[in-house]
Amino acid sequence: DARVTQTPRHKVTEMGQEVTMRCQPILGHNTVFWYRQTMMQGLELLAYFRNRAPLDDSGMPKDRFSAEMPDATLATLKIQPSEPRDSAVYFCASARGGVEYEQYFGPGTRLTVT
Amino acid sequence: AQSVTQLDSQVPVFEEAPVELRCNYSSSVSVYLFWYVQYPNQGLQLLLKYLSGSTLVESINGFEAEFNKSQTSFHLRKPSVHISDTAEYFCAVSNFGNEKLTFGTGTRLTIIP
Repeated sequence: DARVTQTPRHKVTEMGQEVTMRCQPILGHNTVFWYRQTMMQGLELLAYFRNRAPLDDSGMPKDRFSAEMPDATLATLKIQPSEPRDSAVYFCASARGGVEYEQYFGPGTRLTVT
Repeated sequence: AQSVTQLDSQVPVFEEAPVELRCNYSSSVSVYLFWYVQYPNQGLQLLLKYLSGSTLVESINGFEAEFNKSQTSFHLRKPSVHISDTAEYFCAVSNFGNEKLTFGTGTRLTIIP
């Protein structure tokens, strides 16, 4: 049963600390998305990659957020420095770009910044 | 740019009653349409999708949605709901040939025993 995995599932950190979230897409999927979900803003697309190259990161605050795909099996989202307003659930999703249009979501990382 | 409107943020329904969750979209080009479901403390799962062909699409657990191009709608329906249908439902749209999704704000479906 192929699934997207995300680590950690929960993260509590203090303002100003660096946070790194990791995502392992489904094997064979070449497109990876990062979303943020909050009560106020709902689901927001932060960035997405195709074949490890960033296609769109216009939803991401550039001054503190960065997203990378070091290899095809790992995507990372980093926040440095973190702020209380970054508290949210961060989802990763993967897809077989150009083949089907369904996105498969991971279980999310719940981030709390105090 | 495209957008999705889900007018109902919460819908309470008695068990075994029918339900309709409304979704309207706006786009200047052809679109793909999706309904995703999110159970508590989980990620989103695809419920059903419209890419082309028949405008009525169905899920394995009894939901259906109909693409109405003239009304730019993709409402989700189920004739008889079950307690296990309690979840949040998100409508989403993408441009033809593109996987990038724009989500609605979600509708929380609560089933009353």
